[in-house]
Amino acid sequence: QKEVEQDPGPLSVPEGAIVSLNCTYSNSAFQYFMWYRQYSRKGPELLMYTYSSGNKEDGRFTAQVDKSSKYISLFIRDSQPSDSATYLCAMIAGGYQKVTFGTGTKLQVIP
Amino acid sequence: GAVVSQHPSRVICKSGTSVKIECRSLDFQATTMFWYRQFPKQSLMLMATSNEGSKATYEQGVEKDKFLINHASLTLSTLTVTSAHPEDSSFYICSAQVTSGGGVGDEQFFGPGTRLTVL
Repeated sequence: QKEVEQDPGPLSVPEGAIVSLNCTYSNSAFQYFMWYRQYSRKGPELLMYTYSSGNKEDGRFTAQVDKSSKYISLFIRDSQPSDSATYLCAMIAGGYQKVTFGTGTKLQVIP
Repeated sequence: GAVVSQHPSRVICKSGTSVKIECRSLDFQATTMFWYRQFPKQSLMLMATSNEGSKATYEQGVEKDKFLINHASLTLSTLTVTSAHPEDSSFYICSAQVTSGGGVGDEQFFGPGTRLTVL
């Protein structure tokens, strides 16, 4: 079983839709949770970072963490074609630097 | 934000040759740099962690004699793929960590990646 599971998609939505991206994990030592956006043939770009259960909002993006269920989500409101990219969840266990990534979900927002 | 560059962005080489990839932090000093490999439709896999002035720490299953890492300064780390083979073809991405002293959770800034194709 992988430490981090993420549906690879692809996920296609119309412009303006609310997008929900999810990851589950099995390692209860994970304490820090991130979402990265990766455009084709580019390096990942950090979108959101959180370490506690609950919601964290930044503009159109909301990161949600449920440690009891080992489940994290990223919501994108009013999705735009420029949001089309691969979104990777990532996690760090307490006391370590190593980042464990999900496989990424490819999102396409159709105008 | 902090910028990390990689050079070259794309390289094609013959089997058996060696390829060097550079990773630079352009506007900050990074005591720690990381090297990842990403195969198509797969997640980034950490290959090694590199601290300036010391030997790199390799992840299990990564051959240290094949993937040579040098972190000679706070702004430059290099990855050399020695005797490359077609199965080494991948997208190699570095990241540099700004160390605030807080340890865990210090943000990593990623480079744009290097696409290696071994013929």
